[in-house]
Amino acid sequence: GEDVEQSLFLSVREGDSSVINCTYTDSSSTYLYWYKQEPGAGLQLLTYIFSNMDMKQDQRLTVLLNKKDKHLSLRIADTQTGDSAIYFCAGNAGNNRKLIWGLGTSLGVNP
Amino acid sequence: DTEVTQTPKHLVMGMTNKKSLKCEQHMGHRAMYWYKQKAKKPPELMFVYSYEKLSINESVPSRFSPECPNSSLLNLHLHALQPEDSALYLCASSGGGPQHFGDGTRLSIL
Repeated sequence: GEDVEQSLFLSVREGDSSVINCTYTDSSSTYLYWYKQEPGAGLQLLTYIFSNMDMKQDQRLTVLLNKKDKHLSLRIADTQTGDSAIYFCAGNAGNNRKLIWGLGTSLGVNP
Repeated sequence: DTEVTQTPKHLVMGMTNKKSLKCEQHMGHRAMYWYKQKAKKPPELMFVYSYEKLSINESVPSRFSPECPNSSLLNLHLHALQPEDSALYLCASSGGGPQHFGDGTRLSIL
């Protein structure tokens, strides 16, 4: 069945780049999303990429998509303590009404 | 600032109470969603409304009853909940693209 996998934890130093990885099995996903969740808060849409794109950049965020390997990554440049959160990767299942979620990567930023 | 507004932010209720969660969006989105999220886990889809009609019910127990009074509002009526229903309940909306989430209602069942 459809599946999205992420590594559970990542720890970086403030100012370094963070790279959060995600693999997915459903090649019919037309959109792939990155959501951020800070403690006690809801889910914030960070960025998303259409499946016919290889890369998308938005300020400090770079999303790379390797369709052949079904691999998605999120790079955060110049990581700050405010970037500490759980990052969820998700893909839409066909009609975009249902999302298939990864388990989330908890990013810790050390000063 | 979130464009999906959920009230209340926190709710504590006993197992015999009846309460409602409310969600509002003014982005003109025609799809609205209820999710349940346990701590440090991804959200679990409960219901989807499309053009004010229920289109997906993920086999949710009948003690949860959704309602979509109009295209901007979504309610979740709660009755006779169990302790395991304690969670963060998230509302989302979409206009065919990404889903936008509210900040959620943190529900505790005593």
